Amino acid sequence: GENVEQHPSTLSVQEGDSAVIKCTYSDSASNYFPWYKQELGKGPQLIIDIRSNVGEKKDQRIAVTLNKTAKHFSLHITETQPEDSAVYFCAASIGGGGSNYKLTFGKGTLLTVNP
Amino acid sequence: GAGVSQSPSNKVTEKGKDVELRCDPISGHTALYWYRQSLGQGLEFLIYFQGNSAPDKSGLPSDRFSAERTGGSVSTLTIQRTQQEDSAVYLCASSERGLAKTQYFGPGTRLLVL
Repeated sequence: GENVEQHPSTLSVQEGDSAVIKCTYSDSASNYFPWYKQELGKGPQLIIDIRSNVGEKKDQRIAVTLNKTAKHFSLHITETQPEDSAVYFCAASIGGGGSNYKLTFGKGTLLTVNP
Repeated sequence: GAGVSQSPSNKVTEKGKDVELRCDPISGHTALYWYRQSLGQGLEFLIYFQGNSAPDKSGLPSDRFSAERTGGSVSTLTIQRTQQEDSAVYLCASSERGLAKTQYFGPGTRLLVL
């Protein structure tokens, strides 16, 4: 089955700096890659996603890049703010057939933005 | 509108007891998922329901785990004869029908087995 590796496990940045989180996946059939943000005591919330027919997607201060050849994708947060502090999860789903719904998650990155 | 809701928010039980966890999906969402999140780990897929189709139970860790979805809406995850290793956050998500639709998560139920 699919395997998703996420790095780093913890990341500390100063307010205003950029943060980058990287994930790799194993199954070349994967074609949907969402990123979730989880605040303490809450469920994960989707912040951005990308599909295999595009290489980059941007939404204000958040961007995701995808390299299908290398089987990795990254989350970029610019001009970080203290409220960006949370655990971020990447995920991948295997395309085709009836299994596209099944997300495989990375183990998460604890991002701390210091004021 | 209302998001995914789960109850209880916290549950403490003794080893060997049965527990039931409830999930109310977003109205109109035909797909429902259960995940387990252990301390410091990512989310582990447990089970998936889509409309009236047979559920995908491939992620259930043992036969002590089961889930139902009544009337295509509310779902209940049951853990029988709980063990300490069952302690985790159990998350429910729902989505619209179709491939790679966004999954919206509830706040989770934090289960502690003593």
